[in-house]
Amino acid sequence: GESVGLHLPTLSVQEGDNSIINCAYSNSASDYFIWYKQESGKGPQFIIDIRSNMDKRQGQRVTVLLNKTVKHLSLQIAATQPGDSAVYFCAEILQGGSEKLVFGKGMKLTVNP
Amino acid sequence: NAGVMQNPRHLVRRRGQEARLRCSPMKGHSHVYWYRQLPEEGLKFMVYLQKENIIDESGMPKERFSAEFPKEGPSILRIQQVVRGDSAAYFCASSPGYSGYSYEQYFGPGTRLTVT
Repeated sequence: GESVGLHLPTLSVQEGDNSIINCAYSNSASDYFIWYKQESGKGPQFIIDIRSNMDKRQGQRVTVLLNKTVKHLSLQIAATQPGDSAVYFCAEILQGGSEKLVFGKGMKLTVNP
Repeated sequence: NAGVMQNPRHLVRRRGQEARLRCSPMKGHSHVYWYRQLPEEGLKFMVYLQKENIIDESGMPKERFSAEFPKEGPSILRIQQVVRGDSAAYFCASSPGYSGYSYEQYFGPGTRLTVT
């Protein structure tokens, strides 16, 4: 069954604000985590990933934090822009498993101008 | 460099018909994955294939669904005798395989299947 889920189904922010999207996972054997962004009518688009031996990873305007103690993953988006409006998914891969991604349900981010 | 291509983008089938969904992976990618997405839900894994081999089909329904990735040509997801519950968006992803750090999968635009 699903082991990855999101705390917040929707998030509305003002343009320029920072956004934080949270994700909980239940499988301590998960080795790799990835965030995808999906715009309406399109396929998921890679944002950033992180391995379980890391706590933090930064990209352009995005940061992923991993807390293995509480099995929590978060995506931080700095200076949120209207183009960031989309549904965001976290996904995981189990250590020693096949390369299948286990996705959470998704959270919709709306950025107001 | 073309991304993952899927066709058709939209497919309408009557109950009992067959649906064939095609996926051409990115150039140089030998790993293909199929996922299904219901409205307002996340993607659910169906099957993982490499050329001519099914690696993991743990997400495939036991009946009516099959997938292949032949030596030449696209990967095909086939659904026989479709039912209304098969209506969903079907996404294909590809990867070059584990890189030593990343398992990143590149997704296509999806095929929206509607069963009437």
